[in-house]
Amino acid sequence: GESVGLHLPTLSVQEGDNSIINCAYSNSASDYFIWYKQESGKGPQFIIDIRSNMDKRQGQRVTVLLNKTVKHLSLQIAATQPGDSAVYFCAENIDNFNKFYFGSGTKLNVKP
Amino acid sequence: EAQVTQNPRYLITVTGKKLTVTCSQNMNHEYMSWYRQDPGLGLRQIYYSMNVEVTDKGDVPEGYKVSRKEKRNFPLILESPSPNQTSLYFCASSLGLAAQTYNEQFFGPGTRLTVL
Repeated sequence: GESVGLHLPTLSVQEGDNSIINCAYSNSASDYFIWYKQESGKGPQFIIDIRSNMDKRQGQRVTVLLNKTVKHLSLQIAATQPGDSAVYFCAENIDNFNKFYFGSGTKLNVKP
Repeated sequence: EAQVTQNPRYLITVTGKKLTVTCSQNMNHEYMSWYRQDPGLGLRQIYYSMNVEVTDKGDVPEGYKVSRKEKRNFPLILESPSPNQTSLYFCASSLGLAAQTYNEQFFGPGTRLTVL
């Protein structure tokens, strides 16, 4: 498959544990944030998103937390599974959904 | 099946030889966008389109052109490719309505371009 990045920060967790992936965003005017998952050889896949008027949003096994004060975003994955192994990107959006800025990614490695 | 398709998936070319990477979506999405992905840099937006005949520059538009003559297609054109455009390219689409609260982007499978 395609290599999506070299020397990415890597988080290694045991299967069944919870994972927390962090992201610092840059623009205080950003009002929409998204987490993507990218498996080897594939395009990014939407996981969960959140608007700036919220500080928490939950999906199936995933939770996104937003702290606007320190411009920090986190993705929590409950009961991490081997299929969760991938590179995870956060993205911020300004300019009314037109432009998107992505972080450099974190590689999640789930050990069985 | 709802999807975004890109062609070709792999391309090796030489400096200065014009090329086009096609992108097509079958979800009737208004918004389409092109990104390039380079090691350690994440995805960077090249161009985007809010609707037919409406395009605008992203973060790294230099050396690229796009067109949006039909809603479903958004080709990326490199008039005179250079080695620094060697990258992995992704096309994406979404409903694109600014009034929507949430706006998921669907990505294509990627095009690996090498410019010698």
